[in-house]
Formats: sequence, structure tokens, C-alpha cells
Amino acid sequence: SQTIHQWPATLVQPVGSPLSLECTVEGTSNPNLYWYRQAAGRGLQLLFYSVGIGQISSEVPQNLSASRPQDRQFILSSKKLLLSDSGFYLCAWSQTDGEAQHFGDGTRLSIL
Amino acid sequence: KNEVEQSPQNLTAQEGEFITINCSYSVGISALHWLQQHPGGGIVSLFMLSSGKKKHGRLIATINIQEKHSSLHITASHPRDSAVYICAVDVTGTASKLTFGTGTRLQVTL
Repeated sequence: SQTIHQWPATLVQPVGSPLSLECTVEGTSNPNLYWYRQAAGRGLQLLFYSVGIGQISSEVPQNLSASRPQDRQFILSSKKLLLSDSGFYLCAWSQTDGEAQHFGDGTRLSIL
Repeated sequence: KNEVEQSPQNLTAQEGEFITINCSYSVGISALHWLQQHPGGGIVSLFMLSSGKKKHGRLIATINIQEKHSSLHITASHPRDSAVYICAVDVTGTASKLTFGTGTRLQVTL
């Protein structure tokens, strides 16, 4: 069966520090991968999605970047975190377009 | 105006009550999703539907494409149903990039 792993679960970082959040999927190949953010009191927002290795589409201009170095690995990064980067970050995958997405447990990121 | 609107924003019910959460959208869609987010933040996909009705246990989801409206019903509600319920849509032509409502926070009390 397929599983998705996302870590860390909680992260507290100072302003200006770098960020790396990792997401891996097991039990499937060539999945679509997604990074979402949920800011406090707001709905989920798609940040990045990828349909294959090295292919990244960005949905909103921001301080973050994403990479997909392997088929089932999706990384969210920042060189210098801002206070506005605080939020709950979720990784998700789907097998193909139009299929239900499966979510990781999320990372709660607090910027001090 | 958001492309996906949910109502109510907050809902408190007593155990056993029948619950309805509504979702309206203003764009063309290929599918609509209902998601459940637990207090820890984890999200579970409940339904994905593009027409008609789906049922899973005590949960029922319906969609009316012409009226651009969907409802999520919970029968015989239980405290363990307490969560945030999120409506999301696959906007037509956007390759499974979901657009989300802001969620309905449900609290079921004994």
C-alpha cells in the first residue's frame, strides 16, 4: 500500500534562517506531488506541484522553492525565512490528474 | 469573493444530531473533494465526486453541478466526528490543483 511521510512534524526557526522540509512517498511510482500551506485562520493554498522528476510548477510568488530530486521525494526550501512563512505545511500526492489526493501529517512551522 | 465558499464556518451539535455542511463554488470544476482535518492538522480525504451522491458509513456527500453546490451530511453524529471539514475543487483545466474553502469547524458534544 502507498504511504506518505513528511518531516519534521514541528519546527521552530529564527527569521533569516534556512528551511528544508522533506516529503517522501512509498508504494507508487511517478506520482503527482504537491506542497500546500495553511496560514493561521486561513484555508489551504497550493504552493508547488510536480508531475515528474525535476519538474516544478509554482503557484504563488514567495520566499520558498521546491525541488524533486527523486521520483518520490519532494523538498520545500527557503534560503532565508520570513515571519510570514509561519504556518502549517502539507505535502500530498495523487497517482494521476483527477484522482483523490493523499496528504501527509503536516509540518507546523513557527518563525520567531 | 472566494471561489469556494463554505457554510457554516462553525457548527456545534449534540451527539446523535444530523449535520449538514454546505459548499458553493463559482468556477467550472472537474471534481469536488471533501476533506477532514483533525485537531493535530492531519488531513484525510473523505470523498471525491463529480456528480450525484456518495455514501461511506455515516457520511454522505452530494453534488449539484448545475447549481454549483455540494453538501456533506453526517448522520448520528458522534464526538469523534469533531474536526474541520474542508471542501476543495479541481478547477477545470488546472491539472488537479485544488482550490480550497476555508473549512467548517464542527464540534460534537455529548
